[in-house]
Amino acid sequence: EVQLVQSGAEVKKPGESLKISCKGSGYSFTSYWIGWVRQMPGKGLEWMGIIYPGDSDTRYSPSFQGQVTISADKSISTAYLQWSSLKASDTAMYYCARGINGMDVWGQGTTVTVSS
Amino acid sequence: DVVMTQSPLSLPVTLGQPASISCRSSQSLVYSDGNTYLNWFQQRPGQSPRRLIYKISNRDSGVPDRFSGSGSSTDFTLKISRVEAEDVGVYYCMQGTHWPYTFGQGTKLEIK
Repeated sequence: EVQLVQSGAEVKKPGESLKISCKGSGYSFTSYWIGWVRQMPGKGLEWMGIIYPGDSDTRYSPSFQGQVTISADKSISTAYLQWSSLKASDTAMYYCARGINGMDVWGQGTTVTVSS
Repeated sequence: DVVMTQSPLSLPVTLGQPASISCRSSQSLVYSDGNTYLNWFQQRPGQSPRRLIYKISNRDSGVPDRFSGSGSSTDFTLKISRVEAEDVGVYYCMQGTHWPYTFGQGTKLEIK
């Protein structure tokens, strides 16, 4: 079964760093793009960026460029989304999803809460 | 960025009745390879999004045939032939042609 399993919920303070993960299984991880999507509380879906684990080619949405870093470790079939200094406005659910042009498999989501 | 505009944003429907959601893009979604990367997603309450339709009209595996997609270039529609209780949720269109990809605002389907 093709799956993306994300790391657990996080509660952080403003200014702290964070790295969340998305582990793929049941398919060739290096052959499919992985994207990250943000959903703020009660709001819609926003594309953040995508990465091709085969060669680490990465693209960012201009709204998120410089705000987050997307990476992947193909040896353990895992993609990452990280922040160097969190803000309260980063509080959201974050989803990883497989594919480019349209995502056919989604992770269960990781809730990130940033509060002092 | 390509703006995706959905209507209506709220859709109360009686069980067994049809439903239709419109999605318009601010520019053509025809890609250089000839494909049109217009997708439809369903997000049930408390769940991750699930893709229903890709490339305008192709249903994903396991999606009931009461869901159908149509349209071209900048104008697209998702139709549900007979709404069931399990269809409650928010529906999003998404374009995967122009980077950054963009979603519509979402249409909340509820049972009347």
